Order: sequence, then structure tokens, then C-alpha cells
Amino acid sequence: GQNIDQPTEMTATEGAIVQINCTYQTSGFNGLFWYQQHAGEAPTFLSYNVLDGLEEKGRFSSFLSRSKGYSYLLLKELQMKDSASYLCAVHNQGGKLIFGQGTELSVKP
Amino acid sequence: DSGVTQTPKHLITATGQRVTLRCSPRSGDLSVYWYQQSLDQGLQFLIQYYNGEERAKGNILERFSAQQFPDLHSELNLSSLELGDSALYFCASSVDGGGNQPQHFGDGTRLSIL
Repeated sequence: GQNIDQPTEMTATEGAIVQINCTYQTSGFNGLFWYQQHAGEAPTFLSYNVLDGLEEKGRFSSFLSRSKGYSYLLLKELQMKDSASYLCAVHNQGGKLIFGQGTELSVKP
Repeated sequence: DSGVTQTPKHLITATGQRVTLRCSPRSGDLSVYWYQQSLDQGLQFLIQYYNGEERAKGNILERFSAQQFPDLHSELNLSSLELGDSALYFCASSVDGGGNQPQHFGDGTRLSIL
């Protein structure tokens, strides 16, 4: 089966650091994506991991451990505009992108 | 702006009707994907086309069909509509269909069934 788990919601303070975890069990693995989605808007691409390790891109970093079926998205220096849903998605063996339910992040002043 | 264009932005219709959603991919992208997003289901993959051919199929209902035309635009046809079909329908495109390139999403079509 296909299963991707993320926390439903998280709250953090402006200027802080937050880590959003994602665990997955899928039929095959060809890469993991993180997307950001503001309410009612299109998902936008944040990061892609296919090998184990950390990928850094400005204030956002993403980590992958294939042996553990685990990834996290790290957001630093949080801003109010970072309040959004963060979607973990796995590209499986069948060529499909399977999305988690998303983590709703609220950034408070 | 992702470069992916979806029309219409909003669609309101009644049960039993048929609608067509349209998507133009980013310039240079050969692959088109369709997703359904409802409040309780998250983003669900429906179907993928690559250069005019069906590449992968998700949980797409038999009442739904899609195609990709020679100019690479795609249409998703939804028929015998039911209340439960109310959702946001996204189209995404990528350079190829291999899956190691990010998908870029259009703004979606919000379908409301009355």
C-alpha cells in the first residue's frame, strides 16, 4: 500500500525554526518532494531529495533517510507569510506522485 | 506564476451534468498531470499524460476521462456529476514524465456541484 504520514498541524513563532516530519511507506521510491500550498492556491515546489542527506535552499532545508522512510522540512527564520500547508510527496515505482495530507503551519507573532 | 494555465477558474453546475476542464502546460513541458483536491482527501492523483500518451493512472473514476492533444494542452472531462465531485481540480506539468523533475501546478478549477 501507499502511506505517507505528516502531522496535521503545527504552530511556531515568527523568527523561530520549525521542523515538519514526513514518514512514508510506498511501493518503490524514486524521490521525495516538498510543496507549499497557501489556502485556495496552487502548490508550489520547495525541494526534492532522491539521495540520503540534507538539501539546503535558503531558509528551507530538506532531509531524507531512505532506509528509515523518513524526511523532514526545516524552515528557519520563520516569517508570517510561511503560514501555509506543507505537502510531502513521494514519487513511487509506478511513476505516480503520492501526496501526504499536508501539515498546516501557523506562524504567530 | 507557474506558467500552467487552467480554465475556467470556477465552475458551478448541477448533478448529472458534464463539464470539461482545460489545461495548458508550461512552455517546453511534455507531461501533464491531473489532481483532485477535496477538504477531506488531500491531493489525489488522477492521471498523467506524456507527449499525447497516457503514462500513469491513479484513482480516476470511470465517469472521468482525459486526453492530451498534439499541441500538448489537456482536457479533463467529468460526466454524470455527483455532489461528491465538488473539489478543486489541479493540472500540473513537468519537463518529462520520469518523475525526478518538479511538477508545476496551475491555479486550479474550483468545481461546485449543486
